[in-house]
Amino acid sequence: DTGVSQDPRHKITKRGQNVTFRCDPISEHNRLYWYRQTLGQGPEFLTYFQNEAQLEKSRLLSDRFSAERPKGSFSTLEIQRTEQGDSAMYLCASSPSVGTSFYNEQFFGPGTRLTVL
Amino acid sequence: AQKVTQAQTEISVVEKEDVTLDCVYETRDTTYYLFWYKQPPSGELVFLIRRNSFDEQNEISGRYSWNFQKSTSSFNFTITASQVVDSAVYFCALSEAGRTQGGSEKLVFGKGTKLTVNP
Repeated sequence: DTGVSQDPRHKITKRGQNVTFRCDPISEHNRLYWYRQTLGQGPEFLTYFQNEAQLEKSRLLSDRFSAERPKGSFSTLEIQRTEQGDSAMYLCASSPSVGTSFYNEQFFGPGTRLTVL
Repeated sequence: AQKVTQAQTEISVVEKEDVTLDCVYETRDTTYYLFWYKQPPSGELVFLIRRNSFDEQNEISGRYSWNFQKSTSSFNFTITASQVVDSAVYFCALSEAGRTQGGSEKLVFGKGTKLTVNP
């Protein structure tokens, strides 16, 4: 297993366009998280899933943002009508089930850097 | 509400110097977890350590050591004999104990400390 992967690694879009990012967690990890990181800041929590259920959403996740994890494996994060303020690194992480080793640790992917022009 | 404060925005040292990165946290929970992550220039967050709130033992791993003090709500990180490869942004993070069955809760990060180790 090679870790958490994210696609694309970089995305440049024009204001008003929709974008979708994909995250593939470590195999058999039941929890999947999305964070956003802007320049000079720490990652900020957006949402997380346990299997296919979305358990929590941050107030940062406006109506223009939607995340899915339809089969409890990969996840997508869509941003509609992008704004310049959406420019950031979008990080995905996964963690294994409780009762297994490292269940409290989150393993991060390389991120998708979004630039909105 | 949970909060993590890393007061040092940037630190610059010369190779082989020791350096301590400060982390102060706030939480109302009695059970929680503290973490340190490293983010090198490549951007990927690398897990360094996890501590739970019931374990105040300090930990040493090679050149890294961590000092957890509940009395001052601090979880400081020391690198001994720093090396150029230690140059990165270091984040301290906090999570609550699991409220739902299944695993890790969300992480609350500090703003990070950028460490530059000069040769």
